[in-house]
Amino acid sequence: DTGVSQDPRHKITKRGQNVTFRCDPISEHNRLYWYRQTLGQGPEFLTYFQNEAQLEKSRLLSDRFSAERPKGSFSTLEIQRTEQGDSAMYLCASSQAGSGNTIYFGEGSWLTVV
Amino acid sequence: GIQVEQSPPDLILQEGANSTLRCNFSDSVNNLQWFHQNPWGQLINLFYIPSGTKQNGRLSATTVATERYSLLYISSSQTTDSGVYFCAVLNYGQNFVFGPGTRLSVLP
Repeated sequence: DTGVSQDPRHKITKRGQNVTFRCDPISEHNRLYWYRQTLGQGPEFLTYFQNEAQLEKSRLLSDRFSAERPKGSFSTLEIQRTEQGDSAMYLCASSQAGSGNTIYFGEGSWLTVV
Repeated sequence: GIQVEQSPPDLILQEGANSTLRCNFSDSVNNLQWFHQNPWGQLINLFYIPSGTKQNGRLSATTVATERYSLLYISSSQTTDSGVYFCAVLNYGQNFVFGPGTRLSVLP
């Protein structure tokens, strides 16, 4: 399968714990995006990488959130000291510059903070 | 920032019916895409359509960039078309802004 893959698909954590999500983009894609989606809403942009450089971050990405893409391939999104308001689906997407910037999404990682 | 609106918010159809979904955006865009989110949460890219008209089977889309709207047509709807349809636009930046979606339910 050459699509975008995310892991884990579901995570239940206690408030105050740290969680990390991983995204493996489509192999030839140099752009990688993280979005967050809560129930009944559209996806909201969190951050964007081109290769290993993090080029844009949303105001939604508080100090408790950090994202990396160390070698320009897979990416991780870490949430520290989780809060109940962090409960959402975290979506990763990738695209290749110059191809009309068509983006392809993974299946998402559902986070429930209890 | 750019605002994206979608209408209607909810739509219930009988199988076999046709429908039109609308996306309005508040500023010029250089990229517009339509997505279908299935009941399991997977977002599937339907069309990349910053302007003009495209067709793919029972689905077609038209974007009139000068008037800042896009339409998604679904003909002969099937129960598998159920889900949420999102319009997402790129306003010369790098992050897509999504509309609130249209929730479609196709009844057998």
